[in-house]
Amino acid sequence: RKEVEQDPGPFNVPEGATVAFNCTYSNSASQSFFWYRQDCRKEPKLLMSVYSSGNEDGRFTAQLNRASQYISLLIRDSKLSDSATYLCVANQAGTALIFGKGTTLSVSS
Amino acid sequence: DAGVIQSPRHEVTEMGQEVTLRCKPISGHDYLFWYRQTMMRGLELLIYFNNNVPIDDSGMPEDRFSAKMPNASFSTLKIQPSEPRDSAVYFCASNRRGASYEQYFGPGTRLTVT
Repeated sequence: RKEVEQDPGPFNVPEGATVAFNCTYSNSASQSFFWYRQDCRKEPKLLMSVYSSGNEDGRFTAQLNRASQYISLLIRDSKLSDSATYLCVANQAGTALIFGKGTTLSVSS
Repeated sequence: DAGVIQSPRHEVTEMGQEVTLRCKPISGHDYLFWYRQTMMRGLELLIYFNNNVPIDDSGMPEDRFSAKMPNASFSTLKIQPSEPRDSAVYFCASNRRGASYEQYFGPGTRLTVT
C-alpha cells in the first residue's frame, strides 16, 4: 500500500469554482504534512504546510484530520493560474518526506 | 539568492553508457536530497546527505546507482551502466532543517536512455 494516496484526477473546473482535494496517509506516526504544487515540466514548490488546527493562506485552506489520517486542500475562487499538479506530503519524525503522486487540476475560462 | 542548481537539464544517452547528474544546493543548506520522478511511481527519494555524509540510501534502486557529496556545495548522482528503465526526471533538493521539513527543489534533469 502506498503510504500517501491521492486521487490523480484530473479535476476540471471553471474559473471561480471551489475545488477540494483529499489525501490519505498510512503511517499514523506521521507528524509533518505539506502541500506542494508542481507545474508542468517544472520542479515541485512548497504551497503550504498543514497544521493540526488547520491553516489558511489567501484562497487556499489546508486541513488535517489525524483520526481519519487524511489531509485536505481547498481552493476557493479558482484562477487559470491554479492549473497544476498538487502533491500531498507526509512524513514520520526524523525520516524523509513521502510524496503522493499528485492530483491534477485544470481551471478553464 | 540562487536556488538549487542542477546540470545538465536534459540528457539523452544510449543504454550501457555512464550518466552523471550534478547538483549544487542552496548555500548554507546542509541537507541534500536526490529524487526520481516517473509517471508510474511518482516522486521517490533515492538518497539524502547531511553535512556531506549519506544518511539514508535505501531508495537507491540497485548497485548501478551511486551518489557522492565531496563538499557542501556539490553532489553527483551516477548511473553506470544506464538502462532504458532509468529514464525519468531526477530532482535534487536541499534544506537546512532536516529530512522531515520542507525542501527546495532544483529544476531537475530529464534523462532519456535509449
